[in-house]
Amino acid sequence: GESVGLHLPTLSVQEGDNSIINCAYSNSASDYFIWYKQESGKGPQFIIDIRSNMDKRQGQRVTVLLNKTVKHLSLQIAATQPGDSAVYFCAENRRGSTLGRLYFGRGTQLTVWP
Amino acid sequence: SAVISQKPSRDICQRGTSLTIQCQVDSQVTMMFWYRQQPGQSLTLIATANQGSEATYESGFVIDKFPISRPNLTFSTLTVSNMSPEDSSIYLCSAVTDYGYTFGSGTRLTVV
Repeated sequence: GESVGLHLPTLSVQEGDNSIINCAYSNSASDYFIWYKQESGKGPQFIIDIRSNMDKRQGQRVTVLLNKTVKHLSLQIAATQPGDSAVYFCAENRRGSTLGRLYFGRGTQLTVWP
Repeated sequence: SAVISQKPSRDICQRGTSLTIQCQVDSQVTMMFWYRQQPGQSLTLIATANQGSEATYESGFVIDKFPISRPNLTFSTLTVSNMSPEDSSIYLCSAVTDYGYTFGSGTRLTVV
């Protein structure tokens, strides 16, 4: 079936390096995307979002890129810090589905080494 | 930012018993959502709870196993009934608030 998936389940980076976490989606009705960070024992925390009429959005140290042609989403974290270590999920809302209903990808475990 | 509070934060329960999880939002919301996150896995939607009507369940989830209440616009409960070890998961509630798609901190359930 259709799903939101991730290319890599784990990613290890050195502190100070940039991190790129990827996500593929397959549903053409997807029109809104969110990246969440989930630390151990906590609920998902909103990082950044992007609508399908955009291809790039920047926040503080984070950038989300959306390529609708290949249905690919990425999260770039600049100058990665140990506090960025967590599982990162992409999630999508789809046209025609209930507002607020999200479809989640598998998740990528990011580990930042000092 | 909006706050969604869940209780309990964790519990260890005997098989065959039931646990009710509470979710409180600090603002009125139309829809509330209940997700399950099995160990090391992603989030799977259990059901959507709309105030004043029965919850809508996703494929693979049934009301007898996961009854949901939604008595008002800020509160919902999820009950995990007749638990088995396979129900050991994190249960999360979510809502769309003025601050976006927000999640509670989750309830970590272990069934022994």
